Amino acid sequence: ETGVTQTPRHLVMGMTNKKSLKCEQHLGHNAMYWYKQSAKKPLELMFVYNFKEQTENNSVPSRFSPECPNSSHLFLHLHTLQPEDSALYLCASSQADRVQETQYFGPGTRLLVL
Amino acid sequence: GQQVMQIPQYQHVQEGEDFTTYCNSSTTLSNIQWYKQRPGGHPVFLIQLVKSGEVKKQKRLTFQFGEAKKNSSLHITATQTTDVGTYFCAGRSGGSNYKLTFGKGTLLTVNP
Repeated sequence: ETGVTQTPRHLVMGMTNKKSLKCEQHLGHNAMYWYKQSAKKPLELMFVYNFKEQTENNSVPSRFSPECPNSSHLFLHLHTLQPEDSALYLCASSQADRVQETQYFGPGTRLLVL
Repeated sequence: GQQVMQIPQYQHVQEGEDFTTYCNSSTTLSNIQWYKQRPGGHPVFLIQLVKSGEVKKQKRLTFQFGEAKKNSSLHITATQTTDVGTYFCAGRSGGSNYKLTFGKGTLLTVNP
């Protein structure tokens, strides 16, 4: 499946580093999402962008900063992360105005914070 | 806020046995979706249920939405090793067009 791509697929960073995760969707959708998936926890919605506007921020720490320059691209800028931020970060997209709205997930970026 | 509980957390079966995972929401849902995540993979959409009491089938998989639209189940008949993975339910309440609240998922392992 290549509808939603994410880079990098794996990332190891120190607590003082700054890095960015990238997501691109090729499905013509108008909504994009960032989720965090940790072991033994449900998928946690972090941010929602609809028509490039942030419509939801689920009390995410400011060390995570999203950016959505257009409806096809979504970034997650990371700085001064903590070891507990190690997780799989999943991007998803959907066509938010369809009744049968389905979210299509990318392969994820597996992040390890040392 | 809305909570979606899913049980069991883990289920190990012998190939050929049936499997069921259950999902309960703290609030009435406008619809519920089911996703499957293979080990090392990402969630993939399986189905969406919208109507009260709705039942949908996909080959050996049967999905149900409760009459009160607060619970749902996924039943797999005669499991195969290809069914291995984590099955998530995700509910959407009427107040939000975009936010899906995911259950913790049920990890299914199948012994050949």
